[in-house]
Formats: sequence, C-alpha cells, structure tokens
Amino acid sequence: SQQGEEDPQALSIQEGENATMNCSYKTSINNLQWYRQNSGRGLVHLILIRSNEREKHSGRLRVTLDTSKKSSSLLITASRAADTASYFCATAPGAGSYQLTFGKGTKLSVIP
Amino acid sequence: DAGVIQSPRHEVTEMGQEVTLRCKPISGHNSLFWYRQTMMRGLELLIYFNNNVPIDDSGMPEDRFSAKMPNASFSTLKIQPSEPRDSAVYFCASSSSGTSSYEQYFGPGTRLTVT
Repeated sequence: SQQGEEDPQALSIQEGENATMNCSYKTSINNLQWYRQNSGRGLVHLILIRSNEREKHSGRLRVTLDTSKKSSSLLITASRAADTASYFCATAPGAGSYQLTFGKGTKLSVIP
Repeated sequence: DAGVIQSPRHEVTEMGQEVTLRCKPISGHNSLFWYRQTMMRGLELLIYFNNNVPIDDSGMPEDRFSAKMPNASFSTLKIQPSEPRDSAVYFCASSSSGTSSYEQYFGPGTRLTVT
C-alpha cells in the first residue's frame, strides 16, 4: 500500500512563482525524502529530512516535516520551466529496513 | 561513477515470451531494489536485495516473476511467461546501507511493452 500521499496530484504555475506540494503518511518514519522524475527518466533524490528535524533547505528547495500530523511539504521557490517534473515523497521506516515507500506523486508544470 | 545501469531501455515482446531485465548497481552499494511504475498503480516495490540476498519479495506479483542477484554488481528480473498487463516501466535502484540515509539512486528504467 502507498505510505505517502501527495497533494495536489497536479499543479500548474507560472515561471517565477512558488510551488508547494504536500505529502501525508501513516506510520512512524526514520526519515522522509523527496524525489523528482522528469518525463521518461528515473527518479532523482532531491532532499532528505530526518524525523527529528522540522525544516531543511537546499538551494531553492525548502522541506518541512510535522511528525505529529504525519505530513511534509516541499516548497520550490522562484520556479523555472526546468522544474517541470513529477515530485514524489518517500518514507523510510528505519529499524534496519532499507525500503522506501513512495507516494503517487505531484505532477508540476511550470509555464514559461 | 556511471550510475545505475539498466538494459535494455526498451523491450517489446509478445504475450507468452520470456523477458529478462538487467541491472548493474552503483559500485559499493549493497542494497538493490526493483520497482514497477504504471499510471494506475504508481511506483511499486517488487523486491529488494541486501548484500545479494533477497530480503523482501512480497511485492512480486506472482510466480511468473523472479529476480536474482548472483553477485554485487549484477541483478536480473525475469518474467516468464509475459502478459500484456506486465507492460510498465521497470526501475532498478541501489543504495548503501553505510550512509544510514536510505537514499536510493535510480537507473533510467526499462520500458516493457507486451502485446
């Protein structure tokens, strides 16, 4: 079953605007990761946030994690056409398991 | 590093034929994962190996699917006999348990079409 559920399923914005995607999950986690998938390509790791962290930044990416609500958000600031892709959250349960459980993704379209 | 290598990139076959997908993980990574991606079901974990040993194959749809990892640098996913509903993109990913982050590195995928 899917652990992470992204919201919205699809998002269309103008270049330069900010894009926010949300992810909810059901069970306890060791960390939560966000991946990007360009059309016809494999997934690429973007950023990881551990369960004891609340916020993390990487370039134009900002991730928040609220373990009490079992939710995370990914913010892409000053979006570019090249950010057009699908974005997936993935949860890692830890406890010696290396599996990740992926959501169904948010399809982001950035219009030039 | 060349990244995760998968072959073939595209495979078109007829129903009933055997299909073998291949994966070479990143050197030094000791965990390997096979996923299947479809529009309907999203990204599904089929099986994962740790140190060449299958750890969890509960995602393998049925006995027609089998996976092997004979050594640290090679894995195969075999479908025999193939069916049209197996049409999907199959990804291989690898990671290193030494990092404790569980970050996975994906290959480019194999697009399988079964007619």
